[in-house]
Amino acid sequence: IAGITQAPTSQILAAGRRMTLRCTQDMRHNAMYWYRQDLGLGLRLIHYSNTAGTTGKGEVPDGYSVSRANTDDFPLTLASAVPSQTSVYFCASRRSADGGTDTQYFGPGTRLTVL
Amino acid sequence: GDSVTQMEGPVTLSEEAFLTINCTYTATGYPSLFWYVQYPGEGLQLLLKATKADDKGSNKGFEATYRKETTSFHLEKGSVQVSDSAVYFCALSASGTASKLTFGTGTRLQVTL
Repeated sequence: IAGITQAPTSQILAAGRRMTLRCTQDMRHNAMYWYRQDLGLGLRLIHYSNTAGTTGKGEVPDGYSVSRANTDDFPLTLASAVPSQTSVYFCASRRSADGGTDTQYFGPGTRLTVL
Repeated sequence: GDSVTQMEGPVTLSEEAFLTINCTYTATGYPSLFWYVQYPGEGLQLLLKATKADDKGSNKGFEATYRKETTSFHLEKGSVQVSDSAVYFCALSASGTASKLTFGTGTRLQVTL
């Protein structure tokens, strides 16, 4: 079944540790996104990529990094996790980065707890 | 900057009641507007969308009309079911912003028998 997969499903992490959240899509979409979801704040964009080889900063990029070596994969790395990064993380993709009418498709999410 | 404002939740309704969830937006240009739904323990799914003024998006009995004059995109359903219990997010994608979505804070809907 085509779609977006994320791994792990959930993770408990000690503060200061490095963590990479994985995201893979098989729809050959050009654009990919990482959001975090926090109660009362909705979803906020962390980083995005319009096409393989390019990335950009979203609304809340500090403490996170991304790479886009190929079309399918868009990993999100926390270099040194802090408790404020406890959240649910969603990866999303879209066929085209141009314009605003295409639908974004979301993965099932990763629940991350930093202690 | 772009922003989306949704009514606060939670909203609790009896089955077969009429639903309205208000959404207003601020954006430059002519954004596309979306409603996403998140069922418990799942990711977000697109519910409906509208890409220009006066467009009506509809799906699964839900409707929303893009009102440029009031900068609104209110979600409505004539008769809700228990299975509609979820969190609903209004979002916009402004032209020229590389298709990034700006979300509202979400409205939790609880439908009871």
